[in-house]
Amino acid sequence: DIQMTQSPSSLSASVGDRVTITCRTSESISDYLNWYQQKPGKAPKLLIYGASSLQTGVPSKFSGSGSGTDFTLTISSLQPGDFATYYCQQSFDTPFTFGPGTRLDIK
Amino acid sequence: QITLEESGPTLVKPTQTLTLTCTFSGFSLTSSGVGVGWIRQPPGKALEWLALIYWNDDKRYSPSLQSRLTITKDTSKNQVVLKMTIMDPVDTATYYCVHTVVTSSYGHYYYYYGLDVWGQGTTVTVSS
Repeated sequence: DIQMTQSPSSLSASVGDRVTITCRTSESISDYLNWYQQKPGKAPKLLIYGASSLQTGVPSKFSGSGSGTDFTLTISSLQPGDFATYYCQQSFDTPFTFGPGTRLDIK
Repeated sequence: QITLEESGPTLVKPTQTLTLTCTFSGFSLTSSGVGVGWIRQPPGKALEWLALIYWNDDKRYSPSLQSRLTITKDTSKNQVVLKMTIMDPVDTATYYCVHTVVTSSYGHYYYYYGLDVWGQGTTVTVSS
């Protein structure tokens, strides 16, 4: 299985800040990397697919980059609704695997 | 608009078999390039992929759970069913069904578009 790591595991930031979350895979996955946002008690929501493509309806404040084994999710101009947990996921091959998550909360 | 909804028991006893149903709309599982899968999330923990069924009835399972899982589809009812045998308290989790777009080439599947639509999830507790 492809192993996933994320850093940081948690992050405190203020409204208006820009933050970056990193995801690393145990082997190269080209750009088959997706990012999800999950709020408490809700299902995850796809934000970014293919490492850098914005899912329909997702605001452009979210952006992704990377290829191979190293990827980043950047969120600009944080708003209260952005405070959530973020997961990366590889879809290079089954079994799909997820990162352990990054919890973003308000400072 | 694609929607998925999970249903099944909220409480099962240890050693029992769990049966979950995903009822979907907005797409057909007979259409080439469609997949429906299951993901679970124990309380306070990360997401875990379980299984995926394709439009052509091919299936993939988590290697660590493969012996306990069976995924099937009923295209006439627009449903996907997941069965998990020998339930244990560690299987307590919220179970989600998901839609994905699949492309295939030379016998290999590609999942470039992620898990694009999720159901709201159903919580299953395993306890005697």
